[in-house]
Amino acid sequence: AQSVTQPDIHITVSEGASLELRCNYSYGATPYLFWYVQSPGQGLQLLLKYFSGDTLVQGIKGFEAEFKRSQSSFNLRKPSVHWSDAAEYFCAVTGNTGKLIFGQGTTLQVKP
Amino acid sequence: DAGVIQSPRHEVTEMGQEVTLRCKPISGHDYLFWYRQTMMRGLELLIYFNNNVPIDDSGMPEDRFSAKMPNASFSTLKIQPSEPRDSAVYFCASSQTWASGSISYNEQFFGPGTRLTVL
Repeated sequence: AQSVTQPDIHITVSEGASLELRCNYSYGATPYLFWYVQSPGQGLQLLLKYFSGDTLVQGIKGFEAEFKRSQSSFNLRKPSVHWSDAAEYFCAVTGNTGKLIFGQGTTLQVKP
Repeated sequence: DAGVIQSPRHEVTEMGQEVTLRCKPISGHDYLFWYRQTMMRGLELLIYFNNNVPIDDSGMPEDRFSAKMPNASFSTLKIQPSEPRDSAVYFCASSQTWASGSISYNEQFFGPGTRLTVL
């Protein structure tokens, strides 16, 4: 079955520290992978996406993610977290049907 | 581009009333999606359309929910009658199909959501 797992429901990091949010997927065909961010009371905003090519993709707001096919993972990273990064982060996968399958989300809290 | 537009942004209604949520997708997009988000169940896909035709409505909770897309620039999600357990944030998203050789893919753009409260 197609699925996305975000193992960490809640993560707290100090401002300026590095961040890694984990995402594992199960998908039978070639996956197209996304990370979205949702600030409180807002809709989802696309951070970055992977369709093909270079497995390390750069996104907005200084985020990057690495696609590792052998590990079925697409982890999101940021070298230095800012207080404004506090939000909920969703990993998602799709094939060529257009339908996205979302993970349960990871809530990021940033300590001053 | 104005992005995906949803109205109303907030809706408070009483149990038993009919509720209609509206969505205007990004011009030129050929897919439209309706999602529901709650604390308990997270983000759920309710239904999606391709070129105004419903493709998958398996996520629609029950017959009280219905969705239409009469044209490429407008869709509605209706709940009749509404119940307190329908309280949630409802998102609309749209996407455009891109094709490169044998590969086609979509990138969804989300609206700001409608926060529905059923008393």
